[in-house]
Amino acid sequence: AAGVIQSPRHLIKEKRETATLKCYPIPRHDTVYWYQQGPGQDPQFLISFYEKMQSDKGSIPDRFSAQQFSDYHSELNMSSLELGDSALYFCASSWGGRETQYFGPGTRLLVL
Amino acid sequence: GQQVMQIPQYQHVQEGEDFTTYCNSSTTLSNIQWYKQRPGGHPVFLIQLVKSGEVKKQKRLTFQFGEAKKNSSLHITATQTTDVGTYFCAGGNFNKFYFGSGTKLNVKP
Repeated sequence: AAGVIQSPRHLIKEKRETATLKCYPIPRHDTVYWYQQGPGQDPQFLISFYEKMQSDKGSIPDRFSAQQFSDYHSELNMSSLELGDSALYFCASSWGGRETQYFGPGTRLLVL
Repeated sequence: GQQVMQIPQYQHVQEGEDFTTYCNSSTTLSNIQWYKQRPGGHPVFLIQLVKSGEVKKQKRLTFQFGEAKKNSSLHITATQTTDVGTYFCAGGNFNKFYFGSGTKLNVKP
């Protein structure tokens, strides 16, 4: 069965650079969630989209923005990267916003 | 804001022993989900509980949702080395879920 696809899987950037993470949800899923997981920490909810509209916002920094496109894929744009942004970024998708979240494999971002 | 607390943070057991992790929320949850994350992997969905007092079983795993829908537990009977990983609860409401801090389970053979 198709799963959530995230790209790239690994990314190395320098401070103050920008990064774009992409998420392709499971087919027919209309809700996308973004999480940030630091080393040894639990996933922190950043933001979610339902039917291409932002549905909820968590601890997403102002330097980050995200959107969901007409094909339901989502992109997380990160600017002015800081060392503390180094983490594993997960995308999850679900149907209808109330159902099970299926997680992608994550993008490991390292900011030097 | 809503917080989901999870205890214990770590649990080391001998293979064959039981294991329980507890999840508590400061507010009433519409539902709670449990995930397992292996080292280097991504969270994998285990189960969702919706009803007050609900109990669900998956082989050696028993999940419970409190009557007030503010707490939940996961109990593993007779642990095996394959149970190693971090178990997260995630509680929330429509479109927003808060993960607990996770319980890292280590099983010694």
